[in-house]
Amino acid sequence: QSALTQPASVSGSPGQSITVSCTGTSSDVGAYNHVSWYQQHPGEAPKLILYEVSDRPSGISDRFSGSKSGNTASLTISGLQADDEAVYSCCSKSIIGSPWVFGGGTKVTVL
Amino acid sequence: EVQLVESGGGFVQPGGSLRLSCAASGFTLSDQYMDWVRQAPGKGLEWVGRSRDKGSGYTTQYAASVRGRFTVSRDASKNSLYLQMNSLKAEDTAVYYCAKDLSGRYAWDQWGRGTLVTVSS
Repeated sequence: QSALTQPASVSGSPGQSITVSCTGTSSDVGAYNHVSWYQQHPGEAPKLILYEVSDRPSGISDRFSGSKSGNTASLTISGLQADDEAVYSCCSKSIIGSPWVFGGGTKVTVL
Repeated sequence: EVQLVESGGGFVQPGGSLRLSCAASGFTLSDQYMDWVRQAPGKGLEWVGRSRDKGSGYTTQYAASVRGRFTVSRDASKNSLYLQMNSLKAEDTAVYYCAKDLSGRYAWDQWGRGTLVTVSS
């Protein structure tokens, strides 16, 4: 069981916006703004799409945005495209236990 | 172009050992914090261990699940990172990724494609 809780799946039609939640505790998501998100297509390596809750690395589309409220972080994908279909995983720095904890991943399906 | 390429995975019996390698190109490994992250079949990602940069003395840190069994090391001359895995257990079965830290931003901006380790009798 992963330390951070994500929905198993989220779906949306092309052009729509979807949001993926990532719920932790006051010892991880709630304690830091060190939340990152990774996109992973089948058979490929994870790809960083957001760090420090809402910052985007160079080359990442502004269709990807992030936010945090309390112990829950969220990833929003706007203008959903076919290539957005992938597994999205969140990660947070943690005060206790492992210094980094992940969510179990959310399969995003473009209908 | 920054690239990380893992190798060394395979099939090993419980209690056995394996050494994974991660060859880096496009940047100087000694200047970066580097981590190993694994993903068991059908499961989420799990942080395994870290090697800090040369300035931090290449100090290491490990997840509780592997501490005392796994060792992260480097060879600067080969620009490579290693993960020595001893006393392997079935629950260590996973794809192992090496990942480059995004310079103090608590995220990893470069990942390899991973190498599969299967521990089974």
